[in-house]
Amino acid sequence: SQTIHQWPATLVQPVGSPLSLECTVEGTSNPNLYWYRQAAGRGLQLLFYSVGIGQISSEVPQNLSASRPQDRQFILSSKKLLLSDSGFYLCAWNGGGAETQYFGPGTRLLVL
Amino acid sequence: QKEVEQDPGPLSVPEGAIVSLNCTYSNSAFQYFMWYRQYSRKGPELLMYTYSSGNKEDGRFTAQVDKSSKYISLFIRDSQPSDSATYLCAMIIQGAQKLVFGQGTRLTINP
Repeated sequence: SQTIHQWPATLVQPVGSPLSLECTVEGTSNPNLYWYRQAAGRGLQLLFYSVGIGQISSEVPQNLSASRPQDRQFILSSKKLLLSDSGFYLCAWNGGGAETQYFGPGTRLLVL
Repeated sequence: QKEVEQDPGPLSVPEGAIVSLNCTYSNSAFQYFMWYRQYSRKGPELLMYTYSSGNKEDGRFTAQVDKSSKYISLFIRDSQPSDSATYLCAMIIQGAQKLVFGQGTRLTINP
């Protein structure tokens, strides 16, 4: 069966510091991968998605970037964090032509 | 106007009650409809998935889609305290990559 992992689970970072969040999927090949952000009391905002290695589509212009160095690995990065980057970051995947997406456990980021 | 509207609640009901959660949407091109359950500080978990109009039942959960009214519902029968969570509706156009989510309804089932 398929499993999706995210780390770290929790992160506290100072403003202006860099960021790297990692997501990996097991048990499938060539998945579509997604990064979402969920701010407190708000819905999920799609940040990036990828349909293959090196292919990244950005939904929202911001100081974040994403990369997909391997088939089942998706990384969310920032060179300099802002206070507004605080939130719950979720990675998701789907595949096989299915429309449903399956989410990982999330990373809670607090920027101080 | 948001593409998907969902009452954020909170909604509080006694154990054993029937719960009705709803979303309305504006884009008639949506074809796939999903309900996710999200416990506090966890990732969303897919509960129900329906295509086009109609009903789908899975245990105590029933998902209903009325495309003519652009309205979807999730019913929970015999609600349990373990059903206490935030419920998110989501929908997508076939072939698109972007799931569009409602804001989520926070539900509490009181023992």
